[in-house]
Amino acid sequence: AQTVTQSQPEMSVQEAETVTLSCTYDTSESNYYLFWYKQPPSRQMILVIRQEAYKQQNATENRFSVNFQKAAKSFSLKISDSQLGDTAMYFCAFPAQTGANNLFFGTGTRLTVIP
Amino acid sequence: KAGVTQTPRYLIKTRGQQVTLSCSPISGHRSVSWYQQTPGQGLQFLFEYFSETQRNKGNFPGRFSGRQFSNSRSEMNVSTLELGDSALYLCASSFGPGGSEQYFGPGTRLTVT
Repeated sequence: AQTVTQSQPEMSVQEAETVTLSCTYDTSESNYYLFWYKQPPSRQMILVIRQEAYKQQNATENRFSVNFQKAAKSFSLKISDSQLGDTAMYFCAFPAQTGANNLFFGTGTRLTVIP
Repeated sequence: KAGVTQTPRYLIKTRGQQVTLSCSPISGHRSVSWYQQTPGQGLQFLFEYFSETQRNKGNFPGRFSGRQFSNSRSEMNVSTLELGDSALYLCASSFGPGGSEQYFGPGTRLTVT
């Protein structure tokens, strides 16, 4: 059965500092994608970054990068130079089946950026 | 390019009633997925439509149904509403199936009294 575990319910970081959010998962699929989404107080879910499991290179998007460890089934998100606008819930997710868009979400990490 | 739109944004219904929520995907996107978000259960997948066909369905009772039209717009319907159906319902669209980035709408907040 697929599982996604985000072990940090809440985190905080000083503005301009770096923070890492952890995510571990389990899936029987061999070819899959992994996603990080953020949900700010407005509740609008925003895609942060996508990682393809067959790619060894870690994905990066500006200040956001991932540390993908396939063997360990770990997919952490690093946010550099944290900004106040990064305050949000962050969800790790992956499709429950290869070739499908039925995302399976973790419980989320609430990140607060402190000025 | 316009984002995903959902209507209505807020809705209050009474137990036993039914409700229909609408989602218009990003132009050119053919896949629409629906999710329910509650404080207790988190984000849960409801169903996915691609080219007017339901491709996947989550573990929800038959009171939850959906459909997709030829212009890719999608509706979801909940019949015989229960208090536990109070939630934020999110719609997401993507260009294709399987691993494509999904872009979410602002959601419909449903309150059942």
